This record gives sequence, structure tokens and C-alpha cells, in this order.
Amino acid sequence: TQLLEQSPQFLSIQEGENLTVYCNSSSVFSSLQWYRQEPGEGPVLLVTVVTGGEVKKLKRLTFQFGDARKDSSLHITAAQPGDTGLYLCAGRDNAGNMLTFGGGTRLMVKP
Amino acid sequence: SQTIHQWPATLVQPVGSPLSLECTVEGTSNPNLYWYRQAAGRGLQLLFYSVGIGQISSEVPQNLSASRPQDRQFILSSKKLLLSDSGFYLCAWGTGFNQPQHFGDGTRLSIL
Repeated sequence: TQLLEQSPQFLSIQEGENLTVYCNSSSVFSSLQWYRQEPGEGPVLLVTVVTGGEVKKLKRLTFQFGDARKDSSLHITAAQPGDTGLYLCAGRDNAGNMLTFGGGTRLMVKP
Repeated sequence: SQTIHQWPATLVQPVGSPLSLECTVEGTSNPNLYWYRQAAGRGLQLLFYSVGIGQISSEVPQNLSASRPQDRQFILSSKKLLLSDSGFYLCAWGTGFNQPQHFGDGTRLSIL
């Protein structure tokens, strides 16, 4: 069973600060996805990274896939209250079958 | 465009009662369908997935079952609910195993 560990589990910061969320595993993934979820709703896909070392930017969010495709990070620049939510990483195994989800990082950005 | 609907949004049931949660997808054919359970503020645990009508794969042993009576309908059931069945249940669809999954808004199930 492949496991994904996210850190930190909880993060509370002030508006304008930068932050990084980590997603780590001892397993290799063919691709990795990041989702954002708000209370009472389903997760919404933010990005998919496929190539080792790949960096993708989505406005103030920067996603990186580790060179060995075992880990990923999400960096948010100048966080805003609208960034508040649960951030989930999910890795797909090399067979391309199931998604394994991390435990999530709950982010709160205070105005 | 494709949409996914789950209902009910919230459900309160007594221990030992039956359960039926329904999920339907519109705007796509022969999707892969998934049921997940999410503990409060945590990650998702895959319960069942289906690649076609009548085909169900179970990922974890549990008190629940799933059925896919139609191409775009996925049902999560239980004959007798346990306290441990409480949680947030999410349905998702995808066009293939190596494609992103799209989630419904979930059902909050509370067992009393």
C-alpha cells in the first residue's frame, strides 16, 4: 500500500505571508495531483504534475514534483483569506490505477 | 458539460438502520465511478470503484456495499449502519484510471 504524508497538518497564518505544504512518500508515483476542498464540498482539482522536477504555477500557487517522483510541494505566495481550505495531495501508482490521498493540510489565512 | 450529483447532502440515521446514498453523473458515458469516505478534515479513503455497469471493486472490508445499476448511477448501501459508519461520503467520476477525478459535494452521514 502506498502512503502519502502531508505536512503540516494544520497551518494558521496572516494574510500576506508565504507558506509551503509538503507531500512525501517512499513510493514512486506516475503522477501527482493537488486538490483544494472547502467545508461541505468535494475536492476540486488544482493541478496535475507528471514529470520528475516539473514545476507548475497557478497564479500565486507554485507546485513542484520531486525529481524522483516521490514527493511534491505546494508553495503559496502572499496568502489571502480566500486560500483558506483543506489541501489534499493524491498520487497515482505506476500502473495508473488508483489515487492514494494524503491526510490533508488545513490552511487558515487570517485577514 | 459534465456534472455530478450526490444526495442527500446530510443524513442522520440511527444505528442498525439501512442506508442508500445515490450518485449520478451527466454529460459523459461509461465513466469510472468512485465512492470515498473522509474523516473530519482529513484525507480520502477509497471504498469502492466501478469501471462499468454491474462491476464493483471493493478496496476495504466494511459494513457497506455498492452497486451500479445504470451507466451513470452509483449507489452506496448498508443493511445495518454502525456508529463507525459516520463520516463524509464523496462520489467521484473519471474518464479513465489515469485521468483526474471530479467530485460531488458529498453527503454528511451522522449515526446516532
